[in-house]
Amino acid sequence: GQNIDQPTEMTATEGAIVQINCTYQTSGFNGLFWYQQHAGEAPTFLSYNVLDGLEEKGRFSSFLSRSKGYSYLLLKELQMKDSASYLCAVRDGDYKLSFGAGTTVTVRA
Amino acid sequence: ETGVTQTPRHLVMGMTNKKSLKCEQHLGHNAMYWYKQSAKKPLELMFVYSLEERVENNSVPSRFSPECPNSSHLFLHLHTLQPEDSALYLCASSQSGEGSGANVLTFGAGSRLTVL
Repeated sequence: GQNIDQPTEMTATEGAIVQINCTYQTSGFNGLFWYQQHAGEAPTFLSYNVLDGLEEKGRFSSFLSRSKGYSYLLLKELQMKDSASYLCAVRDGDYKLSFGAGTTVTVRA
Repeated sequence: ETGVTQTPRHLVMGMTNKKSLKCEQHLGHNAMYWYKQSAKKPLELMFVYSLEERVENNSVPSRFSPECPNSSHLFLHLHTLQPEDSALYLCASSQSGEGSGANVLTFGAGSRLTVL
């Protein structure tokens, strides 16, 4: 089966940095995705890693180590609008995307 | 209309009712998905259609019946549901292929289902 673990909740201050870790054990690996989901809204795509290393997109960066089954999402210069749930997901085939339970990030002023 | 549209946004039904959820994508994608999202649980993949053929069926009870009449539309027919089926049902679409943009899921806002 698939096992994708991430912390349930994190709290940080506006302007700070937060790192959300994700560890996975899956039967196959064809890429790792991060999605953001605000309460009552659709998940939206943030980043994709298929090779080891860091992918940077503005204030958000995502890192992958395939040998360790590990990824993190780094959120810099936190803003109030970054308060949301962050979902780690692993693709293990052509179509199947398995998700973690999500990490709720609360940004405080 | 752009993106992925789901209707209805909210649905309350009794256990003996028959209802349907509808999903429409305006992105020209060739794959569509149904996911179930329950509180504090990971998204659960229910069904995947690629080019209107079902390619994944994740041991979903038969009281959930998908239908994909064309590459832009996806339905989830509901019949004799149980209270534990109450959840947010998310539709998504993607374009299969190579490259970093391929296979990225675009989600709809979901249909919040309550079974009494």
